[in-house]
Amino acid sequence: EPEVTQTPSHQVTQMGQEVILRCVPISNHLYFYWYRQILGQKVEFLVSFYNNEISEKSEIFDDQFSVERPDGSNFTLKIRSTKLEDSAMYFCASSRTGGYSNQPQHFGDGTRLSIL
Amino acid sequence: QQPVQSPQAVILREGEDAVINCSSSKALYSVHWYRQKHGEAPVFLMILLKGGEQKGHDKISASFNEKKQQSSLYLTASQLSYSGTYFCGTTTGNQFYFGTGTSLTVIP
Repeated sequence: EPEVTQTPSHQVTQMGQEVILRCVPISNHLYFYWYRQILGQKVEFLVSFYNNEISEKSEIFDDQFSVERPDGSNFTLKIRSTKLEDSAMYFCASSRTGGYSNQPQHFGDGTRLSIL
Repeated sequence: QQPVQSPQAVILREGEDAVINCSSSKALYSVHWYRQKHGEAPVFLMILLKGGEQKGHDKISASFNEKKQQSSLYLTASQLSYSGTYFCGTTTGNQFYFGTGTSLTVIP
């Protein structure tokens, strides 16, 4: 069964550095998402992406964050000037359709980001 | 806008039943249910689209009361593998809101 893959599984970065998290969504999916989960807390929506542009973003997704689909397969989340509070598990997800659809979101295994 | 779940946590013995509730202050157009095991990604369980709709998956089923803006997840004859955190989720446009989560622990 096709799956969403994320790399790396664990990223350790010095505070202030930039980090890029990578995701390969399921090939026939059109909607892509990034979520964040701080240890022990709920999963929080960051951004949805469709047709090569941001569809919606949450309050968390400020100017520090950006997303890109640099080629036909990868979907990246860039975090500039990382802060300690950016430490979390970051999940990528994809779905065939979005909005009020009946399509489930398929999640990758996540990237654990640790900021030192 | 985040759906609220109850209870926050529940401990069951194998074979017992549980109900997890999800309610929203805003109109619900659909409700998704996911289960997340510790250290793993959320895994899709089911989606309910219409008010009154009920679905089942093994011994896990759910209902959706559109008027009351709530959904319930029913776990019957629980198994050890059911342990995890259960999240409901709702969509507003293309933004997805996970519920507050319910931690379910099944013990032998």
